[in-house]
Amino acid sequence: LAKTTQPISMDSYEGQEVNITCSHNNIATNDYITWYQQFPSQGPRFIIQGYKTKVTNEVASLFIPADRKSSTLSLPRVSLSDTAVYYCLVGALGFSNDYKLSFGAGTTVTVRA
Amino acid sequence: KAGVTQTPRYLIKTRGQQVTLSCSPISGHRSVSWYQQTPGQGLQFLFEYFSETQRNKGNFPGRFSGRQFSNSRSEMNVSTLELGDSALYLCASRAGTGVEAQYFGPGTRLTVT
Repeated sequence: LAKTTQPISMDSYEGQEVNITCSHNNIATNDYITWYQQFPSQGPRFIIQGYKTKVTNEVASLFIPADRKSSTLSLPRVSLSDTAVYYCLVGALGFSNDYKLSFGAGTTVTVRA
Repeated sequence: KAGVTQTPRYLIKTRGQQVTLSCSPISGHRSVSWYQQTPGQGLQFLFEYFSETQRNKGNFPGRFSGRQFSNSRSEMNVSTLELGDSALYLCASRAGTGVEAQYFGPGTRLTVT
């Protein structure tokens, strides 16, 4: 099971870039890295997923170094509505009796005006 | 496409009772996972079903059980409720069993008194 470690909280201001790093030292070869966003009293929402190097979509970028022991979610030009908890999830989604998905504690990002 | 739906949204039960929660996945999705979310433990994986079979299971006691129907809809049952079972129960669906993203429902808020 790939355990993840993220900062508990981060503060930012509108228009700034926010970078959240997730450590996953014992990531397995077939593990993918997925980030989710969660607002209070709502289910998590998929943001981005990657395996190695860099992935970019319309809302975020994900940077994964060659050793894959960490990953960084980058949120460009955040707004107040980006205030949420961000989870890093590492796992190989498939059938395994020993497999347990690990969501980690999440990072509370607070964006101020 | 309609998103993942969960019913009921809120539920209050008494210790010792049992409860059944329902989840309807996104149309075409065959995999359904259940999670428990509490302030102290965060997001914890309960189990995953695919094609009516439980494929993965988290570290929860046998009081927590589930099933999946032929139309991919899933139910989760908790028997002999304890105060510690008070939580937000989240259901997530995905198309298959690979590394594709999970899509979460809004959750069922269960309060045990």
